[in-house]
Amino acid sequence: EAGVAQSPRYKIIEKRQSVAFWCNPISGHATLYWYQQILGQGPKLLIQFQNNGVVDDSQLPKDRFSAERLKGVDSTLKIQPAKLEDSAVYLCASSFERTGFTPLHFGNGTRLTVT
Amino acid sequence: RKEVEQDPGPFNVPEGATVAFNCTYSNSASQSFFWYRQDCRKEPKLLMSVYSSGNEDGRFTAQLNRASQYISLLIRDSKLSDSATYLCVVNRGGGATNKLIFGTGTLLAVQP
Repeated sequence: EAGVAQSPRYKIIEKRQSVAFWCNPISGHATLYWYQQILGQGPKLLIQFQNNGVVDDSQLPKDRFSAERLKGVDSTLKIQPAKLEDSAVYLCASSFERTGFTPLHFGNGTRLTVT
Repeated sequence: RKEVEQDPGPFNVPEGATVAFNCTYSNSASQSFFWYRQDCRKEPKLLMSVYSSGNEDGRFTAQLNRASQYISLLIRDSKLSDSATYLCVVNRGGGATNKLIFGTGTLLAVQP
């Protein structure tokens, strides 16, 4: 089966600019996640969708970050305006269902550098 | 205190060695537990789930101690290809939901 697809792989922007990331989950996976992984740290959940509804966005900095999953398939994550501390790898993951015993499948991430 | 704590390492071991990683978690309501592996500049991938009775997959053994809120991963007969970061993952959401909390990871370097 095809894995989780993300684009772009790399992005370099200046602070205060905006950026958007795209994710296409594994076909049939209802649950989609965006994680932020700063160098030397574990992934931190930003937002979780179940189909096209938000399940958890408690750690999303809503003053600058937004995400949507229209039609319950693809998702985009946007940062506007970017700050230096947003430099990280942004990982998209999907799972077949949202139960606690279902493993996550990650995409290969977007590496963002804010200068 | 972090919700999931791991020794960041690095653990430098020779090929063939046995190495153990530990992880503690603070939320006693956590229901499911996992070890993920992350190679350098790659995405995390599920290594194994951790069951209450302990479970083994080839050279890898995972143990869970709910009373002490402690998870371990044992790797026997280490291979060069085992070099990676091992992430301890705890599902804070309980059995019905996925609310995975990742540790910072433990870096393993297997030396020839």
